[in-house]
Amino acid sequence: KNEVEQSPQNLTAQEGEFITINCSYSVGISALHWLQQHPGGGIVSLFMLSSGKKKHGRLIATINIQEKHSSLHITASHPRDSAVYICAVRGGGGSQGNLIFGKGTKLSVKP
Amino acid sequence: EAGVTQSPTHLIKTRGQQATLRCSPISGHTSVYWYQQALGLGLQFLLWYDEGEERNRGNFPPRFSGRQFPNYSSELNVNALELEDSALYLCASSLLWGGTGYTFGSGTRLTVV
Repeated sequence: KNEVEQSPQNLTAQEGEFITINCSYSVGISALHWLQQHPGGGIVSLFMLSSGKKKHGRLIATINIQEKHSSLHITASHPRDSAVYICAVRGGGGSQGNLIFGKGTKLSVKP
Repeated sequence: EAGVTQSPTHLIKTRGQQATLRCSPISGHTSVYWYQQALGLGLQFLLWYDEGEERNRGNFPPRFSGRQFPNYSSELNVNALELEDSALYLCASSLLWGGTGYTFGSGTRLTVV
């Protein structure tokens, strides 16, 4: 079993829809990251969370430490949101410098 | 402020050759991380350097190595290239421990033929 699991693996939505991507993890973490990867490979860091909720524009990220679960929400989705969204966790102890990644959720928003 | 820069953007090598990939972190960041994203697979942690030292290493063979220079830039070297080394190699930088988040480069796409 992967240490970081994302669902769904693929997601197709119509423009304007509310989107939720889920991430569950099984290891102790010091922080959780949501990343966005566009075709071509470049990665943008969207959020870093260690508790609660963060909002940036139409993006909202939440984390429940007790349940080891995080969600990324996109409100009023737009075709430019089409990308792969990756959940990554930063461990504790000697591994706290590096990230463990989920396999990503490929989002396609249709006009 | 310049972001994390990686070079080259694309690299084509023959099996058995060596590849050298370079990364310049954001000014002020002391940690550099290398990740491999093979086709159809998720990102895998390769190496973490901070203050010139290797801090942690992923589950990769010793022919994957690197170093960090006094100016905090870093090189990733892959020796005895194999076809399955073909992948996107991403570099990220952060302050120590990644406590304030990571900034990623655009990657080097290595193709081994």
